[in-house]
Amino acid sequence: DIQMTQSPSSLSASVGDRVTITCRASQSISSYLNWYQQKPGKAPNLLIYITSTLQSGVPSRFSGSGSGTDFTLTISSLQPEDFATYYCQQTHSTPFTFGPGTKVEIK
Amino acid sequence: EVQLVESGGGLVQPGGSLRLSCAASGFTLSDHYMHWVRQAPGKGLVWVSRINSDGSSANYVDSVRGRFTISRDNAKNTLYLQMNSLRAEDTALYYCTRGYRASHDYWGQGTLVTVSS
Repeated sequence: DIQMTQSPSSLSASVGDRVTITCRASQSISSYLNWYQQKPGKAPNLLIYITSTLQSGVPSRFSGSGSGTDFTLTISSLQPEDFATYYCQQTHSTPFTFGPGTKVEIK
Repeated sequence: EVQLVESGGGLVQPGGSLRLSCAASGFTLSDHYMHWVRQAPGKGLVWVSRINSDGSSANYVDSVRGRFTISRDNAKNTLYLQMNSLRAEDTALYYCTRGYRASHDYWGQGTLVTVSS
């Protein structure tokens, strides 16, 4: 199985900050990397699929990059509604594993 | 509007069975692969299973293979997850998700399965 790791596991940031979350796969997953946002008590929400394609309706301050084993999610200017937990997921091969999550908190 | 509504969760004893359902609306179910993803209380997301568009092929995470069976009835716009030989570690919120370009673009609100004596 492909293992996914994320760093940091949590971070504190202020509104307006640029935030970067890193996701690493245990083997190459090409570009099959997705990012989800989850707020407490809610289902996850797809932000970015296939590394860098922004899901419809997602603000352009979110962006994704990477290939192979190393990927990043960037929030260019953190907004109050962005405080949440972010998960990466590989869909290169089953089982489609998720990263452990990165909790973004208010500084 | 795309909607996925799960049902069938509840409290079950270890070794017991449950059948989850996911009613889909607002899109043509037969056009999409479908998945189940679960989340134990306070924990992260775990992909459980996937079924292809016509129901002829399925995949499972190792921890449920042989105990869980995913199926679908496209005529009834419904996805299922039959769960047998349930264990305490299966306790989780189970989400039904729609497959889209190698991702999950729509999620239901989840149905809670609690395995406990």
